[in-house]
Amino acid sequence: AQSVAQPEDQVNVAEGNPLTVKCTYSVSGNPYLFWYVQYPNRGLQFLLKYITGDNLVKGSYGFEAEFNKSQTSFHLKKPSALVSDSALYFCAVSAVRESPNDMRFGAGTRLTVKP
Amino acid sequence: GAGVSQSPSNKVTEKGKDVELRCDPISGHTALYWYRQSLGQGLEFLIYFQGNSAPDKSGLPSDRFSAERTGGSVSTLTIQRTQQEDSAVYLCASSLVGGSIYNEQFFGPGTRLTVL
Repeated sequence: AQSVAQPEDQVNVAEGNPLTVKCTYSVSGNPYLFWYVQYPNRGLQFLLKYITGDNLVKGSYGFEAEFNKSQTSFHLKKPSALVSDSALYFCAVSAVRESPNDMRFGAGTRLTVKP
Repeated sequence: GAGVSQSPSNKVTEKGKDVELRCDPISGHTALYWYRQSLGQGLEFLIYFQGNSAPDKSGLPSDRFSAERTGGSVSTLTIQRTQQEDSAVYLCASSLVGGSIYNEQFFGPGTRLTVL
């Protein structure tokens, strides 16, 4: 079964610096990869996804992620962090295009951006 | 328009009691999902409803857990004889059409359940 690992429980960066939130996956076949963000007291929000095509995917709020097949990674990045980016970030992977319960989420990484 | 709403936002109960958690999906969304988010864990799929089809219950952890969706809209997740390990945040999500990676899931704010 597919799985996702987010190796860092916590990431701290200074405002204005670039940020990276790491995600590696394990799946048989082609992976379909997602990033979600959870702000305090709010539901998860979709950020971006990789289905096929360009390895660099651009999403909401200036975030992007790069699919790296050889390293089985899908790290989330942003060139210049904002304090408002502080939240809990989840990576997810699905191995089947058409399956409702196939998506597997990572444990989450808490990003803190300090002024 | 209105997003997915869940109630209550917080629920504290005693071990052995039954609880009901409610989810109001986005109007017009035919698919509805329940997940459980435990401290330090990722989201755990529980159950999925799509239109009038039989629900996919493959993620329910035990027979103490059940869910229903009335009229293709509101859903209730029921946990009977709650145990302390049931303590978690229960998230509901809906999507326009279900069962596909192409259909974005919209999540509610969750219900934080604490079993004493």
